[in-house]
Amino acid sequence: ILNVEQSPQSLHVQEGDSTNFTCSFPSSNFYALHWYRWETAKSPEALFVMTLNGDEKKKGRISATLNTKEGYSYLYIKGSQPEDSATYLCALDTGRRALTFGSGTRLQVQP
Amino acid sequence: GAGVSQSPRYKVAKRGQDVALRCDPISGHVSLFWYQQALGQGPEFLTYFQNEAQLDKSGLPSDRFFAERPEGSVSTLKIQRTQQEDSAVYLCASNKRPEPNQPQHFGDGTRLSIL
Repeated sequence: ILNVEQSPQSLHVQEGDSTNFTCSFPSSNFYALHWYRWETAKSPEALFVMTLNGDEKKKGRISATLNTKEGYSYLYIKGSQPEDSATYLCALDTGRRALTFGSGTRLQVQP
Repeated sequence: GAGVSQSPRYKVAKRGQDVALRCDPISGHVSLFWYQQALGQGPEFLTYFQNEAQLDKSGLPSDRFFAERPEGSVSTLKIQRTQQEDSAVYLCASNKRPEPNQPQHFGDGTRLSIL
């Protein structure tokens, strides 16, 4: 069974705080790593797709890094805003195209 | 439309009934995926189509689950003789090309409740 783990499970921060979450996966099964943001009552939104070891991607205040050799990815949010409140999912593509998701990190940003 | 469209948004059925969930992917998208998300967990893969061909159905939990995409666009996920454990959010996703650097575009999901 392929295990994609995310930590923490949930996080409460104040507006303006910077935060980060972790996604870990079996390094031997790596093909691509996806990050999604899922707001309540909406559809999951793609943030990043990362394929290369050492990859760093950025979208506004959100950035992600990837280490395929040790099997982890970090997602960073700089200066959190209430609209960043969502569940952040990472997912592994092992080459099958189907994604194996972690359970997500639920972020709540207090104004 | 611009995005992946799923219908219905909510479905309530009695145990033992059959249900059909519809997914209309982004026009021109080759790949289509179905996922099942139970409360408090991440989405779990059910099945994958490339055009009209069902290339992977390894995630379908039982032979009560059946999916089709006969013309390579709209897809239907059918669940026969529903059970309470089928209660979940069913997500559909599509992408343009079957390559690892392609993000999947998701619909809003169908929330299925079995009474």
